[in-house]
Amino acid sequence: DAGVIQSPRHEVTEMGQEVTLRCKPISGHNSLFWYRQTMMRGLELLIYFNNNVPIDDSGMPEDRFSAKMPNASFSTLKIQPSEPRDSAVYFCASSSGTGVGSSPLHFGNGTRLTVT
Amino acid sequence: GESVGLHLPTLSVQEGDNSIINCAYSNSASDYFIWYKQESGKGPQFIIDIRSNMDKRQGQRVTVLLNKTVKHLSLQIAATQPGDSAVYFCAENISTQGGSEKLVFGKGTKLTVNP
Repeated sequence: DAGVIQSPRHEVTEMGQEVTLRCKPISGHNSLFWYRQTMMRGLELLIYFNNNVPIDDSGMPEDRFSAKMPNASFSTLKIQPSEPRDSAVYFCASSSGTGVGSSPLHFGNGTRLTVT
Repeated sequence: GESVGLHLPTLSVQEGDNSIINCAYSNSASDYFIWYKQESGKGPQFIIDIRSNMDKRQGQRVTVLLNKTVKHLSLQIAATQPGDSAVYFCAENISTQGGSEKLVFGKGTKLTVNP
């Protein structure tokens, strides 16, 4: 089991640039989650998908953030334009249930984003 | 409101001792709880979970206790080892107003195991 795979591991970009984070969930899992982790706010849920359909995007900070899941094995989180306050570690997680209450989430090792 | 907090932000123990990490939750309707371990540079790793119809669940060297009366969750680690040093998060499953569910994480407790 390869686990949840995220890329890149590190991303450094300048303010105003577009950033795309990628995630490959565990094969067979049908729910996918994007989280953001900062020292100040801890782990925050941004959005989650079930069977490739966005279920809850209420955690997405603003219109600069967008997420897609074109198929069961791939998802992207895009920030355009990026701002310094977006600097954080972004985690992708997947689970085999229909929602968070049915089975545990398995996390990738995250993408550390730095916006200068 | 949505709130999962920890009583102790840091915990230092001697190798071989038992560790207890505590967590308070605020939503009495929460029915699923999970403990995660996060090592530096890695994502949270699932340790153990428990549903609200249980008071106790045991895994390998870990036990989770749930006290619904006082809305308290604890993680006990037996014979703590240096490899247990990490930040531990409790997480609570809550239902949103929109009808979906989401996992709300506490701020974490940093466990340091001294050899």
